[in-house]
Order: sequence, then structure tokens, then C-alpha cells
Amino acid sequence: GAGVSQTPSNKVTEKGKYVELRCDPISGHTALYWYRQSLGQGPEFLIYFQGTGAADDSGLPNDRFFAVRPEGSVSTLKIQRTERGDSAVYLCASSQGARNNEQFFGPGTRLTVL
Amino acid sequence: AQSVTQLGSHVSVSEGALVLLRCNYSSSVPPYLFWYVQYPNQGLQLLLKYTTGATLVKGINGFEAEFKKSETSFHLTKPSAHMSDAAEYFCAVRKSSGDKLTFGTGTRLAVRP
Repeated sequence: GAGVSQTPSNKVTEKGKYVELRCDPISGHTALYWYRQSLGQGPEFLIYFQGTGAADDSGLPNDRFFAVRPEGSVSTLKIQRTERGDSAVYLCASSQGARNNEQFFGPGTRLTVL
Repeated sequence: AQSVTQLGSHVSVSEGALVLLRCNYSSSVPPYLFWYVQYPNQGLQLLLKYTTGATLVKGINGFEAEFKKSETSFHLTKPSAHMSDAAEYFCAVRKSSGDKLTFGTGTRLAVRP
């Protein structure tokens, strides 16, 4: 079956602009995670959804970052007033539940802020 | 708080040689431990995981790892490297009662012909 998909695969924007990154999880997966991977680093946790609600948003770096999952499936990560330091690969993962279940990762969206 | 340390950001081995990628963790509670592989322009793929039970864990593509609590280590090994093993490898930890993964900085494996 289809895996986790993320769109766009690449996004180039200018400093100060607003961007949205989309994640389509595996069908039926209730848990969805966002991570950010900067160059030369491992992925860092941003936010986790169980169903429609954010169960843990402790990794969001500041209030410019926001994520939604209104129907418990597709999620959108929104970044306001982008800064050059936001440039990274944003990874999405989903799992059937949380805890003991494997997280399946999408290919990521590479965000470049000029 | 949990953390993961991967010693060696780059490892190079000859085809057919032993692969050893090191991972040490710190965790205030019993951890779940994972190894992921990332090929260029692809998502992370789970190689293997330790949750409970047997401390020697076998994964895909001939990889295995051993959980050593006394050494707080979870090193990844493969007896004989293939060219197709060239990729970046990430060790990760998660609290047994938690959800999010904490990753190391990764080790890029190169395999020489």
C-alpha cells in the first residue's frame, strides 16, 4: 500500500514569507509526527498528533510554527515569517497507534529560506 | 531527558568487511532503542528495534544490534558489508512510556569496493 507522502518535495521561499507543508499519513494510522532535520543533524521532534489533537507540541521552536490535523488524517505544518534558520528537511511519520508501534517516515520536504 | 550519542560521523569499510556503528544512550527510564537507515532522497527506514526481551536483536538486510544495559550501548553490526549498505544510519531512543523519538546525529557509512 501507499506509504507516507509529503508535499511539496522542495520549497524555496523568501525570508518573512508564510509556508505550508503537507503530510498524508498511511491510511488508518491514528498517530502522526513531525520532525525537522537540519544539515548534518539527526531528526528533531516537533509535534505529535493522536487523532485530531496535538498530544505533544513541546518540540515546536517558537510561536511561528503551528500544525493542524483537522480530520485526523492529513496534517499541515505552517510556518509564519520564515527565517533562514528554518531551512531544513521537514519529516512526517505516522503509526497505527503510539508507543509500541513503528513510525513510518515520509521522504520529507526540503525547505530553503533565502 | 534522553539523549543518543553516535561515535563517528563517517565510517568507511571495505566490501565484505565487518560493519560496526556505535550508539550510546542516556535515559532516566527503561528505553526503547531503534536503528534507522536513510538512503539519499528517501525517508527513514526502520532497521531494527529493541523494546523488551532478548537483548540481541536481528533486523533487515543482515544487520543486528545488542542492547547492553551495563554499557548503555546499542551498537549496530553486520558481518559482511555490501555496496548497497552505503547510507546514513541513525540510532534513536524512546521512553517505554513515551511516543517521540530522540535521534543521534547519524553515521554515514561508505563501502569501498
